[in-house]
Amino acid sequence: DTAVSQTPKYLVTQMGNDKSIKCEQNLGHDTMYWYKQDSKKFLKIMFSYNNKELIINETVPNRFSPKSPDKAHLNLHINSLELGDSAVYFCASSQGFGSRYNEQFFGPGTRLTVL
Amino acid sequence: TQLLEQSPQFLSIQEGENLTVYCNSSSVFSSLQWYRQEPGEGPVLLVTVVTGGEVKKLKRLTFQFGDARKDSSLHITAAQPGDTGLYLCAGAKGRDDKIIFGKGTRLHILP
Repeated sequence: DTAVSQTPKYLVTQMGNDKSIKCEQNLGHDTMYWYKQDSKKFLKIMFSYNNKELIINETVPNRFSPKSPDKAHLNLHINSLELGDSAVYFCASSQGFGSRYNEQFFGPGTRLTVL
Repeated sequence: TQLLEQSPQFLSIQEGENLTVYCNSSSVFSSLQWYRQEPGEGPVLLVTVVTGGEVKKLKRLTFQFGDARKDSSLHITAAQPGDTGLYLCAGAKGRDDKIIFGKGTRLHILP
């Protein structure tokens, strides 16, 4: 059984389009995250939700909008895609937040290519 | 400003050799985690260290958290080709214990 799953695995789209990436976890975790990993493999947190509530919102363009319909799902919608949005986006979950509960379980990633 | 500096960035060694990679910061972290990431996959947690001076072993991998909780090291004994991958350290700090990742050490073990 997959613990953290993301769809799609690959996404190729034109500049200016709007796209969504979906994430689901079946670990019963309370906290979910979106990360962006650039071409140099630097992994940077974008958002974090705890029990459907936004708790971390890094300096991310407001073209990126996360949505958590329930604590097992965290989706990422991106409007007006730009070339610089090309990256691998990882969803992750943790039992909670706080240093004893924030061990991250990552999904397989979504490779987004904007042409 | 990169809060967590990992060194070396790249390391290529022969199978059977020993190696150490480092994760350094001027900040104090409440905990520090090490992950390994293989191509096309998400990072996988190896270990979490919480107490200053803590040492944890995972088979041939030894992880140490610095006494001041500002740095950590990962030592691999008798490296195997299966150890190849990107090793990421991540520290938790701040009121919300936000996770911050280092840029990683890309390790390649030659058979």
